[in-house]
Amino acid sequence: AQSVTQLDSHVSVSEGTPVLLRCNYSSSYSPSLFWYVQHPNKGLQLLLKYTSAATLVKGINGFEAEFKKSETSFHLTKPSAHMSDAAEYFCVVRAAGGTSYGKLTFGQGTILTVHP
Amino acid sequence: DADVTQTPRNRITKTGKRIMLECSQTKGHDRMYWYRQDPGLGLRLIYYSFDVKDINKGEISDGYSVSRQAQAKFSLSLESAIPNQTALYFCATSDPDGRDTQYFGPGTRLTVL
Repeated sequence: AQSVTQLDSHVSVSEGTPVLLRCNYSSSYSPSLFWYVQHPNKGLQLLLKYTSAATLVKGINGFEAEFKKSETSFHLTKPSAHMSDAAEYFCVVRAAGGTSYGKLTFGQGTILTVHP
Repeated sequence: DADVTQTPRNRITKTGKRIMLECSQTKGHDRMYWYRQDPGLGLRLIYYSFDVKDINKGEISDGYSVSRQAQAKFSLSLESAIPNQTALYFCATSDPDGRDTQYFGPGTRLTVL
């Protein structure tokens, strides 16, 4: 079984300040983890993914995330927020074994608001 | 051109009507998925198909059915739509071994009155 918990449903930052979106997961197997972004009235776009290589993963638009097995976390960060980062972000775990192999489980989403 | 397309993009229908949402992909992937998105709940898996002859229920399949007409096409049907099926529906594909990214279509916004 697997699950994902995004610890904040809303995060608000000022433009130019750091962004931290928190995600914890549980998985029966070594997981693959993803962050997707959804801008208003748009589909989902992949930001970055962890698939058992380097634990610090760099994605598009300056985002990065660190896989911490001991903390079962995969938090998303960006050093300096931009107005265009305002969107909803989803942390996702992919089943790596068992009968659910390949299936994704989504977190509830975190809405990021960026103030001028 | 988009790799994963969904039609229609928006649909308003009435309770009891039969609705079909269609998904096509040009990525050559064997695996296809249907999700629905509701505010505060993220995306939940309705059905998935690992190849043309393999179709499986997801976590919320009740009230839905699917058809995998070809490798590139995967349709979702609501036999008798009800208001709590009002949601945003996404189709996705992934590569054959399942280790790579899922690629999502633009979504279909369905409203059941």
